[in-house]
Amino acid sequence: QKEVEQNSGPLSVPEGAIASLNCTYSDRVSQSFFWYRQYSGKSPELIMSIYSNGDKEDGRFTAQLNKASQYVSLLIRDSQPSDSATYLCAAVPGGQNFVFGPGTRLSVLP
Amino acid sequence: GAVVSQHPSWVICKSGTSVKIECRSLDFQATTMFWYRQFPKQSLMLMATSNEGSKATYEQGVEKDKFLINHASLTLSTLTVTSAHPEDSSFYICSARVGGSGANSPLHFGNGTRLTVT
Repeated sequence: QKEVEQNSGPLSVPEGAIASLNCTYSDRVSQSFFWYRQYSGKSPELIMSIYSNGDKEDGRFTAQLNKASQYVSLLIRDSQPSDSATYLCAAVPGGQNFVFGPGTRLSVLP
Repeated sequence: GAVVSQHPSWVICKSGTSVKIECRSLDFQATTMFWYRQFPKQSLMLMATSNEGSKATYEQGVEKDKFLINHASLTLSTLTVTSAHPEDSSFYICSARVGGSGANSPLHFGNGTRLTVT
């Protein structure tokens, strides 16, 4: 069974700190990985995608992928209260349907 | 800007009635759209995959006769909740992949429809 696991949280960090969100996946054939942010009552919005091992940076966000360990992470630098949301990790096994994790709830404390 | 448009954003209906939700791809053609449901404080659950010009593919446990999906054009998919009951109250979200069906094509979501059945 294809699974994506995330710590449900809540993860609380002070404003200005680095928030680290982690995700593991079970299907080794997964090729693509995506991070989505979902505010309460809203639909998910795409933050970042990553396909190759290593780091990918976009503004305050850095995605990290380690296919050998089947591990994906998202770092948020200089966390802001507006970053408080649920972060969903998604893997795409073999280019087919997205498999979403349960999400990690992040709370950035002012 | 939004690439997937969903309507209505919220709807309240009486038990036993039917509700139609529309999902449109903006400025791109989507041969496949995906319908998700999300209950409060729970994760996204894929309900069905909508295929243009053919029957939808439903996930296990989703009643195809209750959740009717029509994908009549390359830019429009509709989900009709038939004979709605209070337990169908949920947040329904459609999505489509932008850039084709390749592994690197991201999924973009509509704004969702909050359905409340009284």
